[in-house]
Parts: sequence; C-alpha cells; structure tokens
Amino acid sequence: KNQVEQSPQSLIILEGKNCTLQCNYTVSPFSNLRWYKQDTGRGPVSLTIMTFSENTKSNGRYTATLDADTKQSSLHITASQLSDSASYICVVRGSSGTYKYIFGTGTRLKVLA
Amino acid sequence: IAGITQAPTSQILAAGRRMTLRCTQDMRHNAMYWYRQDLGLGLRLIHYSNTAGTTGKGEVPDGYSVSRANTDDFPLTLASAVPSQTSVYFCASSDLRGEQFFGPGTRLTVL
Repeated sequence: KNQVEQSPQSLIILEGKNCTLQCNYTVSPFSNLRWYKQDTGRGPVSLTIMTFSENTKSNGRYTATLDADTKQSSLHITASQLSDSASYICVVRGSSGTYKYIFGTGTRLKVLA
Repeated sequence: IAGITQAPTSQILAAGRRMTLRCTQDMRHNAMYWYRQDLGLGLRLIHYSNTAGTTGKGEVPDGYSVSRANTDDFPLTLASAVPSQTSVYFCASSDLRGEQFFGPGTRLTVL
C-alpha cells in the first residue's frame, strides 16, 4: 500500500533554533516529493519539490533532502522564526494510478519566542 | 482573481440538506481536485478532474459529486449532508509540472 509517514507528529522549538522533520514513504513507482507549509486556517503552500535524481534542494532557510534508495526525505529549517509555526506536509507523487498524490499527516511545528 | 478561490469560507449545515462548495481558478490549469482534511489524517482525495468535461473518483467519493463544465470551475456537491462530512474541504489545481495549488479551504460543519 502506498503510504507516507511523517515524524515527529508535533515539535516545539525556541526561536533561532534549527529543526529537522522526517518523511518516509512506500510509494512506488515514484515521481517526485514535495514539502508543503500549511498555516492555520489556510491551504498548503509548496516549499520544495524533489525528483528522483535530486539529493538536496534549498529554499531560503528551508533545505530538503531525498534518499530515493531508502525512500526517506527530510526538511531542515535553519534559524527558525515565529512565522515558521505551521504544519509541514510531505506529499509523494506516484507515476501511475488514480491517486497520484499521497499525503502525509504532517508535522505541527510551534516556534516560541 | 489571483490563483484559486473557494466559497463559502465556512458553513454550518443541518443533516439532510444539500450543499455545494464552489471552487474557481484563474490559472488555466487542466487538473483540479477536491480533498477533505480531518484531524490526524492526511488530505484525502474525494474527486478529481483531469480536464474540463471529465471527472473521476478519488479515495473517499461516497456522498459527494462533482462537475467540470469548464476549465475554471469545479463545484463539489453534498446531496444529503451527514455529520461525518464535517471537515475542512480544500480545492486544488495542478500545472503541467504537477505542482498543486490549494485554495484557502471551506470549513463545513454538519449538525
């Protein structure tokens, strides 16, 4: 069964600290993997996309990694800010089948001053 | 309009009533989707449309119907709402690269 699992479920950190969020998937065949940020009461917004051949991609203070062999991805947030408080969702797109996008349940991040 | 919009923002509905959630995009994307988001669960696909005039069932289609008369609009209808349909509903569209763009969501409560 195609699945996407994220950890931790929730995380609290102090402003200025770094953190890393994890995503493991079993989706096959694999097309790409995206990380989305979802602010409370809003729709998800794309942060990064990783394809099979990419290992690392950065978007400002966000850096995503992908290990296609172990089917693991991580999202590293550097020098966290209060505005980083949100849910971060890992989404894997399969290259076949009706349900092309498989969503993780997200990691809820809270950054405290 | 910039991007994708949904209406209403929120709604409280009596069980058994009919309700249509509206979704409009101005990006000329061919593919559109309806998801529901429930606490502790990932977004689950209700229905999708690969292009105007076609629709398909997703993971949780029962109790919902959609239509796609044109590229821009993709309404979701609950024919007879039940309390288990209480959720936050997100409409999305995707570009040729497959990147999904989400609307702001509709919070629906069925009593």
